[in-house]
Amino acid sequence: GQQVMQIPQYQHVQEGEDFTTYCNSSTTLSNIQWYKQRPGGHPVFLIQLVKSGEVKKQKRLTFQFGEAKKNSSLHITATQTTDVGTYFCAGPRGNKLVFGAGTILRVKS
Amino acid sequence: EAQVTQNPRYLITVTGKKLTVTCSQNMNHEYMSWYRQDPGLGLRQIYYSMNVEVTDKGDVPEGYKVSRKEKRNFPLILESPSPNQTSLYFCASSFKPIAIYEQYFGPGTRLTVT
Repeated sequence: GQQVMQIPQYQHVQEGEDFTTYCNSSTTLSNIQWYKQRPGGHPVFLIQLVKSGEVKKQKRLTFQFGEAKKNSSLHITATQTTDVGTYFCAGPRGNKLVFGAGTILRVKS
Repeated sequence: EAQVTQNPRYLITVTGKKLTVTCSQNMNHEYMSWYRQDPGLGLRQIYYSMNVEVTDKGDVPEGYKVSRKEKRNFPLILESPSPNQTSLYFCASSFKPIAIYEQYFGPGTRLTVT
């Protein structure tokens, strides 16, 4: 069945450095969602991308959906300690949602 | 305050002892799901409910049961827990189908089966 692969699994950056996580699907996606989970917390919805080639920004976060709608990325500019956590992408499969394994971000101040 | 609540938050139990994890949402959402989270595996869906009395299996339903008798509640039942069900469990709800709409997650239930 459809899988959603996410890389890297883990990234440790210096505060102020940029960070990117990538999401790849084995099939074309109608949309892709991104969630953030703070350490010890629960996943929180960040954004949904629907259109081919779509780019959306939320302050220092930039989300992209690939032209073929099979990949997506989340880029954080100038990371801060508040960015720590696990970032998940998720794509639909039928009426359900398949999550990537997540990228754990640690920020060293 | 709009929220999804889960109880208990932490549970340590023994193999074979039936348990129920409750989930309740106060947002009048039709769609609810249960997930388990394990290191390196992300969130895997256990069961999904589209409305009262309508449920569907997710990717890892074995060993679990659910019921949806009321719109606000979606309990997860482990009839005979085993150590491989030790995990962090999340309940989530959504106003529209989860494939196209954001989900609101509960705080999580950390289960240990010895």
